[in-house]
Amino acid sequence: EPEVTQTPSHQVTQMGQEVILRCVPISNHLYFYWYRQILGQKVEFLVSFYNNEISEKSEIFDDQFSVERPDGSNFTLKIRSTKLEDSAMYFCASKKFFGPGTRLTVL
Amino acid sequence: AQSVTQLDSHVSVSEGTPVLLRCNYSSSYSPSLFWYVQHPNKGLQLLLKYTSAATLVKGINGFEAEFKKSETSFHLTKPSAHMSDAAEYFCVVSERNTDKLIFGTGTRLQVFP
Repeated sequence: EPEVTQTPSHQVTQMGQEVILRCVPISNHLYFYWYRQILGQKVEFLVSFYNNEISEKSEIFDDQFSVERPDGSNFTLKIRSTKLEDSAMYFCASKKFFGPGTRLTVL
Repeated sequence: AQSVTQLDSHVSVSEGTPVLLRCNYSSSYSPSLFWYVQHPNKGLQLLLKYTSAATLVKGINGFEAEFKKSETSFHLTKPSAHMSDAAEYFCVVSERNTDKLIFGTGTRLQVFP
């Protein structure tokens, strides 16, 4: 059964550093998403991506965030200058199917 | 706009007793509804989904949910809880045409021996 994969599983970074979170979505799906879950809180939508461009983004997804699909398989979320409040689990989704998540810790 | 409200933040049951996790939805059209489960330090697993076919939906691990339009509810049930069911459960509604998911605040299920 096809599945969504994410790397790394855990990323620790210093405040102000750039991080790139990677996802390999299910290959024949067209819509991809990033969600995040701050510890103890609900899952929040960040951005949706369709046909190689952003189709919708939330208020959370400010200029510090970007997404791209650099090749036919990877789907990345970049945070340019991380803040303490960016610490969260980040989930990639391919339609209704979620990856295992990347736990980002900003120190 | 679509939304879901999970009525209980915590539910505790004894092993072998029934589970009921409550969810109400708000939608201007016939919604697509889902339940996801998240075990500690794990990802989100799809338990079941409703997409306007049968109102009683069966999912994995013995869970099922019933869509009740008159009550705008989509409660999750299981006849007999197992210790391995202890987890966080999210009721979710899908935006029309985009597959964007809107999550409820979650219900933490504890199962006591």
